[in-house]
Amino acid sequence: DAGITQSPRHKVTETGTPVTLRCHQTENHRYMYWYRQDPGHGLRLIHYSYGVKDTDKGEVSDGYSVSRSKTEDFLLTLESATSSQTSVYFCAIRGLTSGSTDTQYFGPGTRLTVL
Amino acid sequence: AQSVSQHNHHVILSEAASLELGCNYSYGGTVNLFWYVQYPGQHLQLLLKYFSGDPLVKGIKGFEAEFIKSKFSFNLRKPSVQWSDTAEYFCAVTTTSGTYKYIFGTGTRLKVLA
Repeated sequence: DAGITQSPRHKVTETGTPVTLRCHQTENHRYMYWYRQDPGHGLRLIHYSYGVKDTDKGEVSDGYSVSRSKTEDFLLTLESATSSQTSVYFCAIRGLTSGSTDTQYFGPGTRLTVL
Repeated sequence: AQSVSQHNHHVILSEAASLELGCNYSYGGTVNLFWYVQYPGQHLQLLLKYFSGDPLVKGIKGFEAEFIKSKFSFNLRKPSVQWSDTAEYFCAVTTTSGTYKYIFGTGTRLKVLA
C-alpha cells in the first residue's frame, strides 16, 4: 500500500445533509484523486488535485467539492447529499513504482449510503 | 475524449480454464496502460502495467497482457485460472503528458468455479 487511509470507512446519512470524506497519505505524493465506484460504471473520476490548493474537475464533479490545504489531506465534500450519491468512494494517489511515477494506488474506500 | 471499453462484463470459468479479458481504448497519442484487480470487499490493486518496450508484459499471480498498438488493445490473459482469481478486473489508460487523468473501463466480473 502507499500509506493511504480514508475516513470514515462507512457512513449512513440523510438526504440534504453535508458530508465530508477524508483521504490522508503519508508519502508526500503530489497527485491525489477521488473516484466513485458504481455497478456497471466502473470507476469515475470526481475531482483530482495536482498540489496544495490546486484541484480540477473530473467527469462526475456535479454536487461535489474538494479541498487540499495540506499535501497529505484531500477532502471530498457533498454539500447536500442526494440518494444518487450513494456509492463507494475511493481515494488514490499517483505514485512511484519501479522508477516510474505514473501508477495509481488506491485507498481502502468509503461506503456512503444516503437515505 | 479518451475512453476505455471492456467488452466482457461477466465471465464464468472453471478452474484451470484459460482467461482472456478484452480491453480497447480510444486515444491517438502515447498512452500508459494498466490492469487493476479488485477482490471482493477490497480496494483496487495493480496487476500489471505497460509504459513502453516489450508489448507483452507480465504481472503478478501469473497474469500477462499484450499491447497491440494497431488495434488499440491491451488484453489480459492467464493460462490457467484459480478459484482465488474470482474478482473484478479493470483496465485503465492515461496519457503520457498533460493532466495525468486516468480513465477506467467499466470492469469485468470474473467468477471461477472450483
